[in-house]
Amino acid sequence: DIQMTQSPSSLSASVGDRVTITCRASQRINSNLNWYQQKPGKAPELLIYAASSLQSGVPSRFSGGGSGTDFTLIISGLQPEDFATYSCQQTYSLPLTFGGGTKVEIK
Amino acid sequence: EVQLLESGGGLVQPGGSLRLSCAASGFTFSSYAMGWLRQPPGKGLEWVLSLTGSGDRTYYADSVKGRFTISRDNSKNTLYLQMNTLRADDTAVYYCAKDYGGNSGAYNFWGQGTLVTVSS
Repeated sequence: DIQMTQSPSSLSASVGDRVTITCRASQRINSNLNWYQQKPGKAPELLIYAASSLQSGVPSRFSGGGSGTDFTLIISGLQPEDFATYSCQQTYSLPLTFGGGTKVEIK
Repeated sequence: EVQLLESGGGLVQPGGSLRLSCAASGFTFSSYAMGWLRQPPGKGLEWVLSLTGSGDRTYYADSVKGRFTISRDNSKNTLYLQMNTLRADDTAVYYCAKDYGGNSGAYNFWGQGTLVTVSS
């Protein structure tokens, strides 16, 4: 199985900050990497697919990058509604696997 | 508007069975692969099973192989998850989710989730 490791596991940030979350795969996965946002008690929502493609309706302050084994999710100008947990997912091979999540909290 | 509505969760004893349903609307159900994913309390997301739009191919996580079965009725726009021989570590919120397209494994719409608790 491909292991997905996110860092940090949590972070504190202020409104307006630029936030970077990283995700590392245990083997090369090309660009088969997605990012989800999840708020407490809610289902996950797809933010980014294929490493860098913005899902329809997602604000442009979210961006994704990387390929191979190392990936990033960047939030440029954190907004109050962005405080949530972010998880990466690889779709290169079965079983599909997720990172452990990064909780973005208010500083 | 895409909607996915799960039902069937609840409390079940270890070794017991449960069947979850997911009623879909707002898209051409038979054209999309669907999946079941779960999230144990306080933990991360786990993919469990998925199947193609026609239902001819299914994919399982090793942790549920031989115990769980995924199926769909495209005439009813409904996805099912039959869970047998349930264990305590199956306790989780179970989500049904719509594949982005092409059986990509990216899920662009999720249901609200249904809690399954396995406990005596």
